[in-house]
Amino acid sequence: QAVVTQEPSLTVSPGGTVTLTCGSSTGAVTSGHYPYWFQQKPGQAPRTLILDTSNKHSWTPARFSGSLLGGKAALTLLGALPEDEAEYYCLLSYGGPRVFGGGTKLTVL
Amino acid sequence: EVQLVESGGGLVQPGGSLRLSCAASGFTLSSYWMNWVRQAPGKGLEWVSNIKGDGSEENYVDSVKGRFTISRDSAKNSLYLQMNGLRAEDTAMYYCASPYYWGQGILVTVSS
Repeated sequence: QAVVTQEPSLTVSPGGTVTLTCGSSTGAVTSGHYPYWFQQKPGQAPRTLILDTSNKHSWTPARFSGSLLGGKAALTLLGALPEDEAEYYCLLSYGGPRVFGGGTKLTVL
Repeated sequence: EVQLVESGGGLVQPGGSLRLSCAASGFTLSSYWMNWVRQAPGKGLEWVSNIKGDGSEENYVDSVKGRFTISRDSAKNSLYLQMNGLRAEDTAMYYCASPYYWGQGILVTVSS
């Protein structure tokens, strides 16, 4: 099965901007991979932030956005807040099966 | 209010079986692809299995093929994961997940 890669860790300053990426071992990530992004805080279940590349859930803060960038899926956080410190996971679809990336630990510091 | 509530986890010996259940409320489970996702202690998320809304397609991660079976009951608005031949490496928190919502998870521990 495919391998999905994410940055292991990133740091952003409060109020700053950061982009997390999600690549695929099979080649460029496209909208056909229906990229999802999830946020997980310690001791909590994950929650869905972005569906199908760029669609937001009703609870997704406006400062988060999803896109395709340079052959990868991307999650951009514009104006980071302390509460955005969390683990972020992407999920790609390969037909029926899905594969998660290894997660990006985002520190707001 | 939308809820997904998992049950059926616990401690089981290697080679044993468990059946996880996920009861959905506030939405119709059969309208969506439904997933089981697991997370070993201190590790990342791992997609385990999914089933199409109409039940016509199932998919599994290679490591559980032939041992786990996903199913759903539309009348009960519930999702299931039958886990046979359990191994120590199956120890994890198991989450039921729709595209939009996740359950709180249920712990499965495989140990003698």
